[in-house]
Amino acid sequence: EADIYQTPRYLVIGTGKKITLECSQTMGHDKMYWYQQDPGMELHLIHYSYGVNSTEKGDLSSESTVSRIRTEHFPLTLESARPSHTSQYLCASSEYKGLGGYPTASGANVLTFGAGSRLTVL
Amino acid sequence: GQQLNQSPQSMFIQEGEDVSMNCTSSSIFNTWLWYKQDPGEGPVLLIALYKAGELTSNGRLTAQFGITRKDSFLNISASIPSDVGIYFCAGLGLPLSGGSNYKLTFGKGTLLTVNP
Repeated sequence: EADIYQTPRYLVIGTGKKITLECSQTMGHDKMYWYQQDPGMELHLIHYSYGVNSTEKGDLSSESTVSRIRTEHFPLTLESARPSHTSQYLCASSEYKGLGGYPTASGANVLTFGAGSRLTVL
Repeated sequence: GQQLNQSPQSMFIQEGEDVSMNCTSSSIFNTWLWYKQDPGEGPVLLIALYKAGELTSNGRLTAQFGITRKDSFLNISASIPSDVGIYFCAGLGLPLSGGSNYKLTFGKGTLLTVNP
């Protein structure tokens, strides 16, 4: 049973359209993430958030933007979609709190993923 | 940044065979995670390892946290067709660039195909 929900699961749109991918989690997790996954399988972190009003860029540069107004909600927006944005977008969350410190041997750092949103831009 | 070398990149096996895959790094990790991703879905956690030397099983799956804390392996025994998918390792550690914020680094994945 999924505790993290992504919508839409599939989206086909034309170039230049604005799109928002929704991600919601019901686990009360502080930290949330967006990964981009190309057909080559590899996961690339594009955005993450430590909590409300916190957003950070990930390892892979992305033209998308994110917001975190509520703990449970972490939407990703593309203002003007292009064919190069065609990809699978995965949202995830984890319990881990704080900005550092030695992680305890617990599940706090385990990521729970959503089912993904597959975006195709024509 | 940190890199995980996951191998093999892909495997084609017959049903009933055992499977082994591993991840290695030049960096030290505090936690190792193994995920499986079914086609069209998000990755799902299989096993989490928190201590060097730890050996943990989950049904037909067994994973170990290497003693040097730089590697981990995942074994699947008596494979079945539903084992098909992409398997990812992930390590939690401090970034090479410094700082105190722990970072989760994913391997590039192992694509497993099981022929019935």
